[in-house]
Amino acid sequence: KAGVTQTPRYLIKTRGQQVTLSCSPISGHRSVSWYQQTPGQGLQFLFEYFSETQRNKGNFPGRFSGRQFSNSRSEMNVSTLELGDSALYLCASSSGQAWNSPLHFGNGTRLTVT
Amino acid sequence: GESVGLHLPTLSVQEGDNSIINCAYSNSASDYFIWYKQESGKGPQFIIDIRSNMDKRQGQRVTVLLNKTVKHLSLQIAATQPGDSAVYFCAENNAGGTSYGKLTFGQGTILTVHP
Repeated sequence: KAGVTQTPRYLIKTRGQQVTLSCSPISGHRSVSWYQQTPGQGLQFLFEYFSETQRNKGNFPGRFSGRQFSNSRSEMNVSTLELGDSALYLCASSSGQAWNSPLHFGNGTRLTVT
Repeated sequence: GESVGLHLPTLSVQEGDNSIINCAYSNSASDYFIWYKQESGKGPQFIIDIRSNMDKRQGQRVTVLLNKTVKHLSLQIAATQPGDSAVYFCAENNAGGTSYGKLTFGQGTILTVHP
């Protein structure tokens, strides 16, 4: 069974630009969560989608948004990029049937903002 | 301002030794806990989970212990191998509608295994 796939692996953007990251969950998984990982703050929850609906959201500004498609694939978008948005962005999938379904992570997209 | 990187705890062991990685959690309402392993350039890899109605769970070469009284979690790795070298994270969640997909992660522990 293929794992969680994130594309692209690396991105370099300039301040003020916007970026879209993509995530394909494990086959059969309907929940997709997004996390930001930085050396200073560690792993922080961004949001979670299930059946195309945002079900949970972390404490990030509105510049961070996401969506989920009918095939469970998800995208997240960051607008008006800031230097502090440089991070590893991780996507995780789970069955989503229960609040304590284990999350399985992809290898992330490394975003560098210059 | 400039962010300061987390100074992660480190654990250095010899190949074949047993390793114990500890984690303290703060939310007494947490009732689901997971251990992840993250190797350089990769995402966190699920190792083992435990629910709050248990105090011990075993997997292949790993054991997780949960002490809810002192809010402490540990991961024991038997016969540690060089391939176990990585950063290990504990993560917690609590029951409720706002918990879907939302894990709170610890800062991580760097495990280095010497041949």
